[in-house]
Amino acid sequence: QLHLQESGPGLVKPTETLSLTCSVSRGSVSSGDYYWGWIRQPPGRGLEWIANIYSSGATYYNPSLRSRLSISMDTSKNQFSLRLSSVTAADTAVYFCARRTQMAAIILSDVFDVWGQGTMVAVSS
Amino acid sequence: DIQMTQSPSTLSASLGDRVTITCRAPQSISSYVNWYQQRPGKAPTLLIYAASNLHSGVPPRFSGSGVGTHFSLTISSLQPEDVAIYYCQQSHSPPHTFGQGTKVEI
Repeated sequence: QLHLQESGPGLVKPTETLSLTCSVSRGSVSSGDYYWGWIRQPPGRGLEWIANIYSSGATYYNPSLRSRLSISMDTSKNQFSLRLSSVTAADTAVYFCARRTQMAAIILSDVFDVWGQGTMVAVSS
Repeated sequence: DIQMTQSPSTLSASLGDRVTITCRAPQSISSYVNWYQQRPGKAPTLLIYAASNLHSGVPPRFSGSGVGTHFSLTISSLQPEDVAIYYCQQSHSPPHTFGQGTKVEI
């Protein structure tokens, strides 16, 4: 069964760049009709989609964060990564990586069907 | 962005109760709504996709309905393991936004 595992620094200073990696096992980031994404959840708050990368390498960003974001994929390591620059306290959150797929019904619905456990990132000096 | 509005924010019910959570969109989004469950300290898991389709492995006491702007998630008989926060998500227009969540307590 597909498994995703996030890794990151835990603590980042304001104005610095946050770097996170999602390692994928029992599946390949470069095969299949899948997107690979990042979602975050500030403490005690709801979910916010951040970015996706397609298995071909095409990227998609939340417009509210686009100017600070970069998502990439390393097929040799079976990983995908997120970089968020110029962080502030508002970027403190649990960051989840997830697989996005399409579920067929009357419509084709995009869903996040497999999630990592999440990694907490605090922005503080 | 499409802002999804859930109600109530918190719901307290008894074991065995029928529970309904609603989610509204400001414009028609057809059936492009998914529902997720997030148990305490865990990642979200997919419950329902395309408004009314039960994801594989999800107990049949969960059901979804709705089309257009008004959607609902129903738990037919509340169980202890259903204590969680439930989120709707629209997948009609990017960015695919989530509702603010509904906390279900016993």
